[in-house]
Formats: sequence, structure tokens, C-alpha cells
Amino acid sequence: DSGVTQTPKHLITATGQRVTLRCSPRSGDLSVYWYQQSLDQGLQFLIQYYNGEERAKGNILERFSAQQFPDLHSELNLSSLELGDSALYFCASSVSRSGTEAFFGQGTRLTVV
Amino acid sequence: GDSVTQMEGPVTLSEEAFLTINCTYTATGYPSLFWYVQYPGEGLQLLLKATKADDKGSNKGFEATYRKETTSFHLEKGSVQVSDSAVYFCALRTGGGNKLTFGTGTQLKVEL
Repeated sequence: DSGVTQTPKHLITATGQRVTLRCSPRSGDLSVYWYQQSLDQGLQFLIQYYNGEERAKGNILERFSAQQFPDLHSELNLSSLELGDSALYFCASSVSRSGTEAFFGQGTRLTVV
Repeated sequence: GDSVTQMEGPVTLSEEAFLTINCTYTATGYPSLFWYVQYPGEGLQLLLKATKADDKGSNKGFEATYRKETTSFHLEKGSVQVSDSAVYFCALRTGGGNKLTFGTGTQLKVEL
């Protein structure tokens, strides 16, 4: 158990809908990262937050947004969902904003039908 | 930009066979290199890492050496077990950030 908790584990929703994925980092970790794992794109970095502020941005679509709250948990919001958004979404956390090991959660499997 | 290339899978081996999974990278600067493992239904776990040229990372019988001259970080294990069946990801991290760039992953199946 990495100590990173993601909910829900599975999510099935229809095209055009909006969903929210939640991540609780390990105790004491200030950085949260979101990654998308899909069959065609592999594992891609989406976004990083550090202590409530956006730190780095990767291949995140404009339909997607994230935030980190004062208690350090993070949410990834996906809107106007398309079939191609079906993927495994991982959250990871680390102690600092750079140079330290990131611990991954078990992921949320999103299926868009 | 940064990129990681891994050999395609699946790789199927008999128990106690020797394993090599090739990984090469392209990066600006001097990256840190990682191998992550993903067991079925689970998240990614850090298997080993190396932060500078000629460093050897090792864990659970797996080894990988950071080769700057060939920009490679091949994963090896002398004798695989059925329990090693998983997907293995090579990754790199550059600069001062913590963003990881992953390869496409290599599925390993070990049979009795």
C-alpha cells in the first residue's frame, strides 16, 4: 500500500458528462501529480500541484482541470467526456516539488460509453 | 523533448530464465532514470533508480545500469519467477521538476 488513496476505483459514464476523480496523498506529502494511462497514448503526465498551487502542466486537455485543496487532497475534473477519455487515471504524491520519489495510487478506471 | 523507448512486449519466459528489457532515452541535460513495475490491478511501484552516469540501481534481484554513452538503462534479472509477471515501465526525470516521462511499458509473463 503506497498510502495514496484514489476514489472511486471504477467509473462508468456517458459521453458529454462530467466527472470528478479524487486523490488523497500520503501523509506529509505536499505535491500531487495526475497521470493518464491509455492504450494509445501510454502513461502521460497531466498536471502537478504543490501545496495548493499549480506547479507543472503536461498534456492536459482544456476540458480537464484540477485543484489541490488546503487539506492537500486533489481533484481532477473531466468534462464534456468523449469515448477517447476512457483510461486509467493515476494520482501520485511526493514530499517536495522536485527531486523526490513519487508514490502512486491504484488509479481510477474511467469508462466513457 | 524528452522521450523513452522500450522494447515491445509481451515478453514470455520460463521460470528461472534470464531477463533483459531494453530501454533507451532521449533527454536534455542529465536525467535521473527509473524502472517502475505495475502488477495486475495495482498502481505503479518504484522498482529501482539511478541518478547519474554509471550508477547501478538494484532491488529484488533486478538491476539496471545508467549508460550515458549509449543513453540506455536496460533492466536485467538473472532468474525470473512467476511472481515477477507484471508490466515494467522505464522512465526519466529531468531538470528540477518531478515530472516523469514514461516509456510505453513492457509486459512480462513468466510461466512454470
